[in-house]
Amino acid sequence: DGGITQSPKYLFRKEGQNVTLSCEQNLNHDAMYWYRQDPGQGLRLIYYSQIVNDFQKGDIAEGYSVSREKKESFPLTVTSAQKNPTAFYLCASSPKGTGGYTFGSGTRLTVV
Amino acid sequence: GESVGLHLPTLSVQEGDNSIINCAYSNSASDYFIWYKQESGKGPQFIIDIRSNMDKRQGQRVTVLLNKTVKHLSLQIAATQPGDSAVYFCAENINTGFQKLVFGTGTRLLVSP
Repeated sequence: DGGITQSPKYLFRKEGQNVTLSCEQNLNHDAMYWYRQDPGQGLRLIYYSQIVNDFQKGDIAEGYSVSREKKESFPLTVTSAQKNPTAFYLCASSPKGTGGYTFGSGTRLTVV
Repeated sequence: GESVGLHLPTLSVQEGDNSIINCAYSNSASDYFIWYKQESGKGPQFIIDIRSNMDKRQGQRVTVLLNKTVKHLSLQIAATQPGDSAVYFCAENINTGFQKLVFGTGTRLLVSP
């Protein structure tokens, strides 16, 4: 079955550490996105990528980095520069043109 | 402007009632709109979409209405069930030659038996 997979489901980070969240899709979608969601709130765009080897900052990119070396994969690194990283992180992908996004099941990151 | 995180409004209904969730969108150039359902701890799931050349679209127990004059979108859920309890987001596609959805703040629907 085609879909988008995020891992791990839960992640704990010590202060000062970088962590990387995985996002893989087998939908042959060109575009991929990372969103952050805080409790009881909406989705805020961190980074997005329209095509392999290209990505753009979203609304809250500070403290995050991404790469897009393969069409299927769009990992997100939460760096130590992100001062408040505890949140629910959602990855999505979409085909060219309209058609909506397909979302992964999310990764809940907690700083301990 | 773009959607930012705000605390969610809540709609409480009884099982069997019809629910109407409203959304105001921001850009008159938006050409495509989607409603998503998000259950606790999960990613958003597609419910129904509508293009800007339509004003109504029906699915199974759901109807989306689009009023471009006042930039308003609504989701109607018929015979609401406890399993419909979730957060509902509208999203608009601002056509910049690339699909980049802008999400509304979301509405929490609580269905009591």
